Amino acid sequence: DGGITQSPKYLFRKEGQNVTLSCEQNLNHDAMYWYRQDPGQGLRLIYYSQIVNDFQKGDIAEGYSVSREKKESFPLTVTSAQKNPTAFYLCASSQSTDTQYFGPGTRLTVL
Amino acid sequence: AQTVTQSQPEMSVQEAETVTLSCTYDTSESDYYLFWYKQPPSRQMILVIRQEAYKQQNATENRFSVNFQKAAKSFSLKISDSQLGDAAMYFCAYRSAIYPGTYKYIFGTGTRLKVLA
Repeated sequence: DGGITQSPKYLFRKEGQNVTLSCEQNLNHDAMYWYRQDPGQGLRLIYYSQIVNDFQKGDIAEGYSVSREKKESFPLTVTSAQKNPTAFYLCASSQSTDTQYFGPGTRLTVL
Repeated sequence: AQTVTQSQPEMSVQEAETVTLSCTYDTSESDYYLFWYKQPPSRQMILVIRQEAYKQQNATENRFSVNFQKAAKSFSLKISDSQLGDAAMYFCAYRSAIYPGTYKYIFGTGTRLKVLA
């Protein structure tokens, strides 16, 4: 089945630790995205990548980093510089002129 | 910069009735895509319907249809024969179709739809 997988579903982190969220897609999509969603809120764009080895900052990139070494993978690292990282994180992908499809999300909680 | 506005934070509808969710957007571009996504309690984002701006005809998907008014920059979603499973957050989204350009999507703040039995 084609789709987007995110792991883990739930993630707990101690303050001061970096943590990496995984996102993999087998849809052969060029573009991939990371969004943050806080309770009762909309989606805020963290980073996006339109092609391998290239990515752009979104609206709230501070405290986050990404890489795009392979077309299928777009991992997001939440660094200790992110002051309030507890949130729901959604990964998505799209083809150049097509609809954006989403993964199931990762719930990150800082203890 | 493009913006998407959903002015109804919450809406309610009786089961089997019809409800319309509003979305307006602002852009100077002539070619773009518009989307409605549904986010149920599972938090999985699901595409409901998609509209290409150059198409005059309003998109429909079973019980879901849109009223696309390009001049007014309005893109409302109508849900007919509402079902309990329609209860969710609904997000309106915009994406430019200008090439070459950004593949960035702009989302509204969402409308929470409650379906009353």
